[in-house]
Amino acid sequence: EPEVTQTPSHQVTQMGQEVILRCVPISNHLYFYWYRQILGQKVEFLVSFYNNEISEKSEIFDDQFSVERPDGSNFTLKIRSTKLEDSAMYFCASSPLHRDPRETQYFGPGTRLLVL
Amino acid sequence: DQQVKQNSPSLSVQEGRISILNCDYTNSMFDYFLWYKKYPAEGPTFLISISSIKDKNEDGRFTVFLNKSAKHLSLHIVPSQPGDSAVYFCAASDTGTASKLTFGTGTRLQVTL
Repeated sequence: EPEVTQTPSHQVTQMGQEVILRCVPISNHLYFYWYRQILGQKVEFLVSFYNNEISEKSEIFDDQFSVERPDGSNFTLKIRSTKLEDSAMYFCASSPLHRDPRETQYFGPGTRLLVL
Repeated sequence: DQQVKQNSPSLSVQEGRISILNCDYTNSMFDYFLWYKKYPAEGPTFLISISSIKDKNEDGRFTVFLNKSAKHLSLHIVPSQPGDSAVYFCAASDTGTASKLTFGTGTRLQVTL
């Protein structure tokens, strides 16, 4: 069964460093998302991406964040200058159709980011 | 911003019995609701969803009920199995922000033998 994959599974970085989290969405999906979950808190929406551009973003997704689909398969989240509060589990998700009740967002296993 | 609330952080149910997980929401623009299940070190896995034009949706052992007037939904699992032990998240999307899911804080279900 096709699945969303994410690399790395764990990332430790120093405050102020740049990190790139990578995702390979399910191959025939058209919509891509990033969410994050700070330890002990709820899963929070960051950004959605369609047709090579951001379709929606949250207040969390400030200028330090960017997303890119550099080729036909990868979808990346870049944090330009990490802060301690960026430590969280980051989930990538993809979906084949937009707001179709028959479809939904399929999540990857996540990347645990720790900023020291 | 507590637009989706799951007031019970944990629930323990005996194997074979019914598990009922509850979720409340405040945003009347939400028109689609989903339940996700999450195991440790894995991403959320979609379980079942319901559109606001319905009040019930059933899929095997899982049934979701929606009470729009009370802004409340619930997930029923019958019969509960040990493999159902996980964290369950309620999520919602609204007509104004079509692609964004707003999650609740989750309820940890433990199914005991």
